[in-house]
Amino acid sequence: QVQIVQSGAEVKTPGASVKVSCKTSGYTFTDYAIHWVRQAPGQSFEWMGWINAVNGDTRYSQNFQDRVTMTRDTSASTAYMELSSLRSEDTAVYYCARNIRGTFIFDFWGQGPLVTVSS
Amino acid sequence: QSVVTQPPSASGTPGQRVTISCSGSRSNIGSNTVNWYQQLPGTAPRLLIYTNNQRPSGVPDRFSGSKSGTSASLAISGLQAEDEADYYCAVWDDRLKGVFFGGGTKLAVL
Repeated sequence: QVQIVQSGAEVKTPGASVKVSCKTSGYTFTDYAIHWVRQAPGQSFEWMGWINAVNGDTRYSQNFQDRVTMTRDTSASTAYMELSSLRSEDTAVYYCARNIRGTFIFDFWGQGPLVTVSS
Repeated sequence: QSVVTQPPSASGTPGQRVTISCSGSRSNIGSNTVNWYQQLPGTAPRLLIYTNNQRPSGVPDRFSGSKSGTSASLAISGLQAEDEADYYCAVWDDRLKGVFFGGGTKLAVL
């Protein structure tokens, strides 16, 4: 069965970077893309971008264009999202989600670790 | 303001039918398909409806979706206590070049 397991909660100071992992199993990693979506406490979701698992091509939201880097390791069926220059407003749960390529349907989600940015 | 708008809350009694709306514009709902997600407290979202009106396997047929013009709706019939959750619509926007979620609707089963 499809499983997506993300890394654990993090606490970071302003200006630091965080790297969240997204380990998948139960399907062929390169048959799907991986999207990243965050949810600040009590808020809706904010889409951050996606990575093509086949060739590593990325597309980022304009809101994160200059601070986010998405990568993947096909041998480990794992995707990564690194966000730099963290500020308190980046405190959120960061989800990765499997995406049927050619669509924007997120059919399986990771559990989403909370990243807290605080001095 | 939000790209895609939902009412912040909705409610119903067990057995009732409730609908949740999702309003957008020509560049998003008017041009692309809408997906709906259910989020139970403290959990990750779950795909509920995709491509406007399709149900993934395992989703009860009490849940249905529709789209007309620049608006979409999620309907839940035969409301059950376990349906109490937050519901979100999501859609790609051609002008802004991104996926946008509605603000979410908190459903209370009274």
